[in-house]
Amino acid sequence: AQSVTQLDSQVPVFEEAPVELRCNYSSSVSVYLFWYVQYPNQGLQLLLKYLSGSTLVKGINGFEAEFNKSQTSFHLRKPSVHISDTAEYFCAVSRRVGGAQKLVFGQGTRLTINP
Amino acid sequence: GAGVSQSPSNKVTEKGKDVELRCDPISGHTALYWYRQSLGQGLEFLIYFQGNSAPDKSGLPSDRFSAERTGGSVSTLTIQRTQQEDSAVYLCASSFEASGANVLTFGAGSRLTVL
Repeated sequence: AQSVTQLDSQVPVFEEAPVELRCNYSSSVSVYLFWYVQYPNQGLQLLLKYLSGSTLVKGINGFEAEFNKSQTSFHLRKPSVHISDTAEYFCAVSRRVGGAQKLVFGQGTRLTINP
Repeated sequence: GAGVSQSPSNKVTEKGKDVELRCDPISGHTALYWYRQSLGQGLEFLIYFQGNSAPDKSGLPSDRFSAERTGGSVSTLTIQRTQQEDSAVYLCASSFEASGANVLTFGAGSRLTVL
């Protein structure tokens, strides 16, 4: 079974500073990796995904993530954050078993941007 | 519809009562998921429907929880004899199942409060 660990439950950052949200996963087989964002009082929205190919993936709102197979990590980064990036961020992993796919989420990281 | 629609958006009930939560997925999406989001618990997988296959119920926490999906579209999550620990946001998501990875589209959720 796969699992996801988000190492930081809360990350406070000043506006225009860089940020990295950490995510590690465990799986003995190849997986697909995702980052979702949840703005206050809203549902989850896909930020970016890694399926195969280039290990650096770019998403919406200037975010990017790098898949590192040897370290089983998929950390999310943004070089300069904005107040509007305040949200909860979820890392997720899935793999296909036959015809089924189940997404397993980490506990989430609450990103707070301070002016 | 344009997105995943969930109702009610908020439900307050008394302990011991039954509740039904509804999810209307995106038209044409063959897969439907229910997740539970509790404070400090992240997103917990509950159940997964894919086409005409038997649902994956491995995440349902007890036999008080059940779900059905009628006609491959609308789904209802039923919680019988609600308990205070059932208080959470229940999120529904749908996707178009194809080879490779699926991207889930989430609804805004149904917030359940059990008094």
